[in-house]
Formats: sequence, structure tokens, C-alpha cells
Amino acid sequence: EPEVTQTPSHQVTQMGQEVILRCVPISNHLYFYWYRQILGQKVEFLVSFYNNEISEKSEIFDDQFSVERPDGSNFTLKIRSTKLEDSAMYFCASSELTGIRGSAQYFGPGTRLTVL
Amino acid sequence: AQRVTQPEKLLSVFKGAPVELKCNYSYSGSPELFWYVQYSRQRLQLLLRHISRESIKGFTADLNKGETSFHLKKPFAQEEDSAMYYCAPWNRDDKIIFGKGTRLHILP
Repeated sequence: EPEVTQTPSHQVTQMGQEVILRCVPISNHLYFYWYRQILGQKVEFLVSFYNNEISEKSEIFDDQFSVERPDGSNFTLKIRSTKLEDSAMYFCASSELTGIRGSAQYFGPGTRLTVL
Repeated sequence: AQRVTQPEKLLSVFKGAPVELKCNYSYSGSPELFWYVQYSRQRLQLLLRHISRESIKGFTADLNKGETSFHLKKPFAQEEDSAMYYCAPWNRDDKIIFGKGTRLHILP
């Protein structure tokens, strides 16, 4: 069964550095998402992406964040200048259709980002 | 504001006993409703969705529009049901708002 993959599984970075988290969504999916989960807290929506543009973003997704689909398979999340509070597990997800039509999201295993 | 409430952070249930994980939502319009589950050391995965009216691993969820609830139920808990469960409504925008989750612990 096809799966969403994410790399790296764990990223350690210094505060102020840029990081890029990578995701390969399921190949026939059209909608892509990033979520984060700070340790001990709930999963929080960051951004959704469809047709090569952001369709929705949360308050968390400020100017420090950007997403890109650089080619036909990868979907990346860039954090320009990391802060300590960016330390979290970041999940990528994809779906065939939009959820309002009942389409499930398929999640990757996550990237644990640690900002020192 | 869109809000999802899962009132129990932790629910401990004996094996074989019934399970009910509560979820209430406060949304404008008619969201589509999902339950996601995360087993230990595994990724988040869809458990069930309201639109399919399905029963997965013995779990069902009934939408009560009057109470704006979508509680997850199973008549007889099994040890492998121990996991984190997230209620997740999806409105007309392209995002899911997850509840805080309920950790279900099945006691032997």
C-alpha cells in the first residue's frame, strides 16, 4: 500500500538556522498538508496546499514558514530562522480529494525537529 | 470560532468493557467528521469517517447534530485498542482541526 514518506526522521539545528523538512506524498493525491505536534500537546494544522498554492494556513504559519512543491513528487516545509519553540514533531499528510467530500488524509511518520 | 472538545485526556477501560470516547464540536456549517488513531510508535491514521457510516475494528461513531457530538464507541474493548484517539472535524476550508486527543488505556 502506498505511504507518505518524510525525511529526515530527526533534525537537530541551532536557533536561527534554516531547516527544510521533506515529504513525498502519495502519488495520485492532490492535496497536501503540514501539521506539527509539540511534545505533550495536540496535533496542530499548519498549512494546506492544492494546485501549487496555499489554500489555507493557520496563525502558526507566519512569514518564517514556507511550503513548496519543487517537482512532481516532493513537498517541503521551510522554516527560515528557527526558534526554540519550533521544536516539535512535524507531520506531512496528503489526500486524494478535499476532506469535505470525506477524503481521508494519509500521514507520514513525522520529522522530529529539535532546535538548540 | 471552530472548536473541538475531547473532554477526557486519559480513559482507562477493562478489556471486554464498553468504550466511549467523547467528542463535541463547535463549527459553523456542517463539517465532515473523522476519527484518527495513533498507536504506539506508529503514524496517525484514519480510523473512521462519518460519511462512510462504517465500522472499523469494531468502532462506530454516531453524529448527533443536535448535541454537535461525534462520540466513538466500541462494545467490547480489546488490548490492541490502546492508543491515542483524535476527533477531527473538517469544514469547508482545507484544514482539519484536531481535538486534544484521548489516550485510551485498556486494562487486562
